Amino acid sequence: SQTIHQWPATLVQPVGSPLSLECTVEGTSNPNLYWYRQAAGRGLQLLFYSVGIGQISSEVPQNLSASRPQDRQFILSSKKLLLSDSGFYLCAWSQGETQYFGPGTRLLVL
Amino acid sequence: QKEVEQNSGPLSVPEGAIASLNCTYSDRVSQSFFWYRQYSGKSPELIMSIYSNGDKEDGRFTAQLNKASQYVSLLIRDSQPSDSATYLCAVKGAGSYQLTFGKGTKLSVIP
Repeated sequence: SQTIHQWPATLVQPVGSPLSLECTVEGTSNPNLYWYRQAAGRGLQLLFYSVGIGQISSEVPQNLSASRPQDRQFILSSKKLLLSDSGFYLCAWSQGETQYFGPGTRLLVL
Repeated sequence: QKEVEQNSGPLSVPEGAIASLNCTYSDRVSQSFFWYRQYSGKSPELIMSIYSNGDKEDGRFTAQLNKASQYVSLLIRDSQPSDSATYLCAVKGAGSYQLTFGKGTKLSVIP
């Protein structure tokens, strides 16, 4: 069966610091991968998606970037965090219509 | 701008009752519809998907879709306290990778 991992689980970072969140999927090959953010009081917002290695589509312009260096690895990065980057970051995968979410990373920017 | 609307709640129902959760969407060409459950502090987990007009049942859960009215609902029969969570409606267009989520309805099942 498929498993999706995210780390770290929680993160507290100062404004202006860099960020790297990692997501890996096990038990499948060539999945579509997604990064979402869920801010307090707001819905899930799609940030990036990837249909293959090195293929990244951005849905929302911002100071975040994503990379997919391996088939089942998806990384979310920032060079300088903003206060507004605080939120719950969720990685998801799909191979058909349905998306399945990882456990998430809770980020607090102070 | 694709929109998915849900009543934020909270929706309170007594244990054993039927909980009815509703969702409307703006994009007429939407093809796939999903309900996710999200416990506080946790990630969303899939409950049901529905693609055709009508009802789809899975255990205590029934999803209902009416594409003409752009309306999808989730019924939870014999509600249990463990059903207390936020329920997210998500909609996907044909050929699209993107899921558009509603903000969720918070359900509270009272023992």
